[in-house]
Amino acid sequence: KAGVTQTPRYLIKTRGQQVTLSCSPISGHRSVSWYQQTPGQGLQFLFEYFSETQRNKGNFPGRFSGRQFSNSRSEMNVSTLELGDSALYLCASSFTQATDTQYFGPGTRLTVL
Amino acid sequence: GESVGLHLPTLSVQEGDNSIINCAYSNSASDYFIWYKQESGKGPQFIIDIRSNMDKRQGQRVTVLLNKTVKHLSLQIAATQPGDSAVYFCAERDKAAGNKLTFGGGTRVLVKP
Repeated sequence: KAGVTQTPRYLIKTRGQQVTLSCSPISGHRSVSWYQQTPGQGLQFLFEYFSETQRNKGNFPGRFSGRQFSNSRSEMNVSTLELGDSALYLCASSFTQATDTQYFGPGTRLTVL
Repeated sequence: GESVGLHLPTLSVQEGDNSIINCAYSNSASDYFIWYKQESGKGPQFIIDIRSNMDKRQGQRVTVLLNKTVKHLSLQIAATQPGDSAVYFCAERDKAAGNKLTFGGGTRVLVKP
């Protein structure tokens, strides 16, 4: 069974631009969560989607948004990029419930110049 | 807010020895704990998990111990191998927070040949 895939793997943007990242969960998984990983803040939860609905949200500004499609694929968008948004963005999928194991993708490395 | 932390940022281990990675958590409502391993350029990889109704769980060469009294979690790796060199994260989940994982800061394990 294929793992979680994320595209693109690397991205370079400039301040003020917006970016869209994509995540395809493991087949059969319906929950997709997004995390931001930085050296200073570590791994921080952004949001979780289940059945096309945002089920949970972390403490990030409204510039960070996401959505999930009917095939469980998810996208996250960051508008008006700031230098501090440079990070590894990780997607994790799980079957359905909060008690199911989350499996991570390789991440998208975003650099904001 | 709740946080999960690690005592040791770097652990150097001789190949063949056992490794012990420690983690403290502060949310007494957390009912599920996971250890992840992250190698350079990759996303976190699930190692082992444990639910709060257990105090020990064993996997292949790994054992997780949970002490709810002092809110402490540890990961033991038996016969550490060069391939075990990575950053290890503990994570906790509070059922009330859905699928949100709260991660510790990570411990880097370096295996010396």
